[in-house]
Amino acid sequence: DAGITQSPRHKVTETGTPVTLRCHQTENHRYMYWYRQDPGHGLRLIHYSYGVKDTDKGEVSDGYSVSRSKTEDFLLTLESATSSQTSVYFCAIGAASGDSDTQYFGPGTRLTVL
Amino acid sequence: RKEVEQDPGPFNVPEGATVAFNCTYSNSASQSFFWYRQDCRKEPKLLMSVYSSGNEDGRFTAQLNRASQYISLLIRDSKLSDSATYLCVVILLYQKVTFGIGTKLQVIP
Repeated sequence: DAGITQSPRHKVTETGTPVTLRCHQTENHRYMYWYRQDPGHGLRLIHYSYGVKDTDKGEVSDGYSVSRSKTEDFLLTLESATSSQTSVYFCAIGAASGDSDTQYFGPGTRLTVL
Repeated sequence: RKEVEQDPGPFNVPEGATVAFNCTYSNSASQSFFWYRQDCRKEPKLLMSVYSSGNEDGRFTAQLNRASQYISLLIRDSKLSDSATYLCVVILLYQKVTFGIGTKLQVIP
Protein backbone atom coordinates (compact mmCIF):
# COMPACT_ATOMS: atom_id res chain seq x y z
CA ASP A 1 0.00 0.00 0.00
CA ALA A 2 1.11 3.54 -0.74
CA GLY A 3 2.36 5.36 2.33
CA ILE A 4 -0.47 7.82 2.84
CA THR A 5 -2.01 8.64 6.18
CA GLN A 6 -4.78 11.03 7.08
CA SER A 7 -5.58 12.62 10.41
CA PRO A 8 -7.88 12.74 12.12
CA ARG A 9 -9.78 9.71 10.85
CA HIS A 10 -13.03 10.89 12.40
CA LYS A 11 -14.11 14.31 13.55
CA VAL A 12 -17.30 15.87 14.81
CA THR A 13 -17.42 19.63 14.96
CA GLU A 14 -19.90 22.45 15.16
CA THR A 15 -21.00 24.88 12.49
CA GLY A 16 -18.77 27.91 12.29
CA THR A 17 -15.64 26.33 13.73
CA PRO A 18 -12.41 26.00 11.73
CA VAL A 19 -11.24 22.51 10.90
CA THR A 20 -7.92 21.31 9.49
CA LEU A 21 -7.39 17.88 7.99
CA ARG A 22 -3.92 16.55 7.40
CA CYS A 23 -2.59 14.28 4.70
CA HIS A 24 0.89 12.83 5.08
CA GLN A 25 2.79 10.82 2.50
CA THR A 26 6.08 8.95 2.65
CA GLU A 27 6.34 8.42 -1.12
CA ASN A 28 7.95 11.76 -1.94
CA HIS A 29 5.33 12.25 -4.63
CA ARG A 30 4.99 15.67 -6.17
CA TYR A 31 1.23 15.65 -6.65
CA MET A 32 -1.32 15.55 -3.86
CA TYR A 33 -5.10 15.91 -3.96
CA TRP A 34 -8.06 16.42 -1.69
CA TYR A 35 -11.44 14.94 -2.61
CA ARG A 36 -14.79 14.70 -0.93
CA GLN A 37 -17.19 11.83 -1.41
CA ASP A 38 -20.93 12.13 -0.87
CA PRO A 39 -23.85 9.79 -1.62
CA GLY A 40 -25.09 10.28 -5.17
CA HIS A 41 -21.88 11.98 -6.22
CA GLY A 42 -18.60 10.63 -7.39
CA LEU A 43 -15.42 11.71 -5.73
CA ARG A 44 -15.11 15.44 -6.33
CA LEU A 45 -11.82 17.28 -6.39
CA ILE A 46 -11.51 20.10 -3.88
CA HIS A 47 -7.92 21.26 -4.34
CA TYR A 48 -4.70 19.79 -5.55
CA SER A 49 -1.01 20.54 -5.24
CA TYR A 50 1.74 20.06 -7.79
CA GLY A 51 4.61 20.96 -5.50
CA VAL A 52 5.57 22.75 -2.33
CA LYS A 53 3.59 25.98 -2.14
CA ASP A 54 1.98 25.21 -5.52
CA THR A 55 -1.74 24.57 -5.31
CA ASP A 56 -4.81 25.01 -7.46
CA LYS A 57 -8.55 24.77 -7.16
CA GLY A 58 -10.65 21.82 -8.09
CA GLU A 59 -14.31 21.41 -8.87
CA VAL A 60 -15.69 22.18 -5.37
CA SER A 61 -13.18 24.51 -3.76
CA ASP A 62 -15.54 27.08 -2.22
CA GLY A 63 -15.23 27.13 1.57
CA TYR A 64 -11.91 25.27 1.55
CA SER A 65 -8.28 26.32 1.55
CA VAL A 66 -5.11 24.26 1.38
CA SER A 67 -1.45 24.58 2.18
CA ARG A 68 1.62 22.61 1.34
CA SER A 69 4.77 23.75 3.08
CA LYS A 70 6.53 20.39 2.80
CA THR A 71 6.46 17.70 0.14
CA GLU A 72 5.05 15.16 2.56
CA ASP A 73 2.17 17.18 4.02
CA PHE A 74 -0.95 18.62 2.43
CA LEU A 75 -3.42 20.37 4.71
CA LEU A 76 -7.08 21.03 4.01
CA THR A 77 -8.77 23.77 6.04
CA LEU A 78 -12.43 24.53 6.40
CA GLU A 79 -12.33 28.13 7.53
CA SER A 80 -15.84 28.07 8.99
CA ALA A 81 -17.41 24.64 8.80
CA THR A 82 -20.98 24.29 7.53
CA SER A 83 -23.31 21.30 7.61
CA SER A 84 -22.95 20.95 3.83
CA GLN A 85 -19.31 20.08 4.42
CA THR A 86 -20.25 16.92 6.28
CA SER A 87 -18.60 14.31 4.12
CA VAL A 88 -15.84 11.77 3.76
CA TYR A 89 -12.60 13.40 2.71
CA PHE A 90 -9.94 11.48 0.84
CA CYS A 91 -6.41 12.53 0.16
CA ALA A 92 -4.59 11.07 -2.82
CA ILE A 93 -1.10 11.15 -4.29
CA GLY A 94 0.06 10.62 -7.82
CA ALA A 95 -0.14 12.27 -11.21
CA ALA A 96 -3.40 12.12 -13.07
CA SER A 97 -2.15 11.54 -16.57
CA GLY A 98 -0.68 8.69 -18.49
CA ASP A 99 -0.93 4.98 -17.94
CA SER A 100 1.95 4.86 -15.54
CA ASP A 101 0.60 7.50 -13.22
CA THR A 102 -2.45 6.76 -11.16
CA GLN A 103 -3.83 8.07 -7.92
CA TYR A 104 -3.44 6.29 -4.60
CA PHE A 105 -5.75 7.18 -1.81
CA GLY A 106 -5.43 7.59 1.91
CA PRO A 107 -7.89 5.90 4.29
CA GLY A 108 -10.21 8.90 4.49
CA THR A 109 -11.49 11.26 7.17
CA ARG A 110 -15.15 11.20 8.19
CA LEU A 111 -16.19 14.72 9.10
CA THR A 112 -19.52 15.57 10.66
CA VAL A 113 -20.53 19.20 11.07
CA LEU A 114 -23.43 19.67 13.48
CA ARG B 1 -25.47 15.42 -19.31
CA LYS B 2 -23.03 14.32 -16.65
CA GLU B 3 -19.39 14.10 -17.66
CA VAL B 4 -19.17 10.51 -16.50
CA GLU B 5 -22.19 8.28 -15.98
CA GLN B 6 -22.48 4.92 -14.31
CA ASP B 7 -25.46 2.79 -13.37
CA PRO B 8 -25.33 2.79 -9.56
CA GLY B 9 -26.92 -0.68 -9.38
CA PRO B 10 -26.91 -2.71 -7.25
CA PHE B 11 -26.07 -5.61 -9.47
CA ASN B 12 -26.89 -8.81 -7.58
CA VAL B 13 -25.26 -11.83 -9.21
CA PRO B 14 -24.69 -15.42 -8.10
CA GLU B 15 -21.21 -16.76 -7.49
CA GLY B 16 -19.60 -17.92 -10.70
CA ALA B 17 -21.59 -15.57 -12.90
CA THR B 18 -20.16 -13.14 -15.43
CA VAL B 19 -21.09 -9.52 -14.94
CA ALA B 20 -20.32 -6.41 -16.97
CA PHE B 21 -20.48 -2.73 -16.15
CA ASN B 22 -20.34 0.20 -18.50
CA CYS B 23 -19.36 3.79 -17.91
CA THR B 24 -20.08 6.51 -20.45
CA TYR B 25 -18.21 9.78 -20.76
CA SER B 26 -19.26 12.95 -22.53
CA ASN B 27 -16.02 14.55 -23.68
CA SER B 28 -14.45 12.91 -26.70
CA ALA B 29 -11.10 14.51 -25.85
CA SER B 30 -10.77 12.39 -22.70
CA GLN B 31 -7.35 10.83 -22.56
CA SER B 32 -6.98 8.24 -19.81
CA PHE B 33 -9.36 5.80 -18.21
CA PHE B 34 -9.26 3.65 -15.12
CA TRP B 35 -11.38 1.36 -12.99
CA TYR B 36 -11.13 1.58 -9.21
CA ARG B 37 -12.65 -0.68 -6.60
CA GLN B 38 -14.05 0.69 -3.35
CA ASP B 39 -15.10 -1.46 -0.43
CA CYS B 40 -17.65 -0.17 2.04
CA ARG B 41 -16.23 2.68 4.12
CA LYS B 42 -12.78 2.24 2.61
CA GLU B 43 -10.66 4.20 0.17
CA PRO B 44 -10.79 3.57 -3.58
CA LYS B 45 -8.07 1.28 -4.89
CA LEU B 46 -6.86 1.02 -8.45
CA LEU B 47 -8.18 -2.04 -10.20
CA MET B 48 -6.87 -1.54 -13.71
CA SER B 49 -6.16 0.88 -16.50
CA VAL B 50 -8.30 0.83 -19.62
CA TYR B 51 -6.93 0.79 -23.14
CA SER B 52 -8.50 0.72 -26.60
CA SER B 53 -6.81 -2.61 -27.18
CA GLY B 54 -8.34 -4.03 -24.03
CA ASN B 55 -6.70 -4.94 -20.78
CA GLU B 56 -7.05 -8.26 -19.00
CA ASP B 57 -5.98 -9.16 -15.49
CA GLY B 58 -7.08 -12.61 -14.44
CA ARG B 59 -10.86 -12.65 -14.28
CA PHE B 60 -11.13 -8.94 -15.06
CA THR B 61 -11.22 -7.41 -18.52
CA ALA B 62 -11.46 -3.71 -19.24
CA GLN B 63 -12.21 -2.19 -22.61
CA LEU B 64 -12.42 1.27 -24.09
CA ASN B 65 -14.75 2.16 -26.95
CA ARG B 66 -13.81 5.63 -28.13
CA ALA B 67 -16.35 5.73 -30.93
CA SER B 68 -19.24 5.22 -28.53
CA GLN B 69 -17.48 6.94 -25.62
CA TYR B 70 -17.72 4.28 -22.99
CA ILE B 71 -15.51 2.00 -20.99
CA SER B 72 -16.47 -1.40 -19.72
CA LEU B 73 -15.44 -3.82 -17.02
CA LEU B 74 -16.13 -7.53 -17.29
CA ILE B 75 -15.79 -9.84 -14.33
CA ARG B 76 -15.83 -13.56 -15.00
CA ASP B 77 -16.45 -16.31 -12.46
CA SER B 78 -17.59 -13.84 -9.80
CA LYS B 79 -16.38 -14.45 -6.25
CA LEU B 80 -17.97 -13.31 -3.02
CA SER B 81 -14.88 -11.16 -2.50
CA ASP B 82 -15.70 -9.21 -5.67
CA SER B 83 -18.59 -7.55 -3.84
CA ALA B 84 -17.73 -3.85 -3.83
CA THR B 85 -18.43 -0.61 -5.65
CA TYR B 86 -16.61 -0.14 -8.94
CA LEU B 87 -15.70 3.42 -9.90
CA CYS B 88 -14.77 4.52 -13.37
CA VAL B 89 -12.35 7.39 -13.75
CA VAL B 90 -11.96 9.56 -16.83
CA ILE B 91 -9.12 12.01 -17.28
CA LEU B 92 -9.69 14.81 -19.74
CA LEU B 93 -6.59 16.90 -19.30
CA TYR B 94 -3.78 16.85 -16.88
CA GLN B 95 -5.43 17.15 -13.44
CA LYS B 96 -8.97 17.21 -14.87
CA VAL B 97 -10.08 13.99 -13.26
CA THR B 98 -13.71 12.91 -13.10
CA PHE B 99 -15.00 9.97 -11.11
CA GLY B 100 -18.26 8.18 -11.77
CA ILE B 101 -20.61 7.63 -8.83
CA GLY B 102 -19.80 3.93 -8.86
CA THR B 103 -21.64 0.70 -9.58
CA LYS B 104 -22.39 -1.52 -6.62
CA LEU B 105 -21.87 -5.24 -7.10
CA GLN B 106 -23.17 -7.82 -4.68
CA VAL B 107 -22.15 -11.41 -5.33
CA ILE B 108 -24.57 -13.84 -3.74
CA PRO B 109 -23.66 -17.35 -2.52
